[in-house]
Amino acid sequence: DVKVTQSSRYLVKRTGEKVFLECVQDMDHENMFWYRQDPGLGLRLIYFSYDVKMKEKGDIPEGYSVSREKKERFSLILESASTNQTSMYLCASSPMLYRDGNIQYFGAGTRLSVL
Amino acid sequence: AQSVTQLGSHVSVSEGALVLLRCNYSSSVPPYLFWYVQYPNQGLQLLLKYTSAATLVKGINGFEAEFKKSETSFHLTKPSAHMSDAAEYFCAVNTGGFKTIFGAGTRLFVKA
Repeated sequence: DVKVTQSSRYLVKRTGEKVFLECVQDMDHENMFWYRQDPGLGLRLIYFSYDVKMKEKGDIPEGYSVSREKKERFSLILESASTNQTSMYLCASSPMLYRDGNIQYFGAGTRLSVL
Repeated sequence: AQSVTQLGSHVSVSEGALVLLRCNYSSSVPPYLFWYVQYPNQGLQLLLKYTSAATLVKGINGFEAEFKKSETSFHLTKPSAHMSDAAEYFCAVNTGGFKTIFGAGTRLFVKA
């Protein structure tokens, strides 16, 4: 089974702190994704990566950055956390494209509260 | 541009009753369509997918969905609800690229 592991289930941070959310997948997938999930809005794509050191902005990249130094690890960085970044963050991975329309495998999520 | 609309943010059924969760999509090219399920405090997991083969797709846990091009719909059904089906369900569309568009989600409640 594919396993996508997010390092923290719950995080509480202060406004202005730099926050790192870590994600590791064990299936040698090329693609990795970061989403935020808010009630009534579904999942919104923040950033994705299709290869090591490659990254692309999603629909809501403002206030976030990412890092992918190794194939299995994809980090989401909040440079200066703000209260409007309080949310559930989901990491996902998928194998190379043109296979089944990009089926994604998700981690359990990190619930971040910024106070 | 692609989009997904899930009708009803909450659906409540009795145990043993039919489950029907509605999804309509918009896509300018033939889409891949998915239903994902999210149980409490967990990430999303794939329930079923449509990838242009059979229009009636069977998934895990007795769920199925039918692709209707003329109605641009991909509704999810299960003949008999079980308490363990209580979760949030997301319909999603992809047209072969990196971006998958997710609906807002429908939370299913199952009453004993």
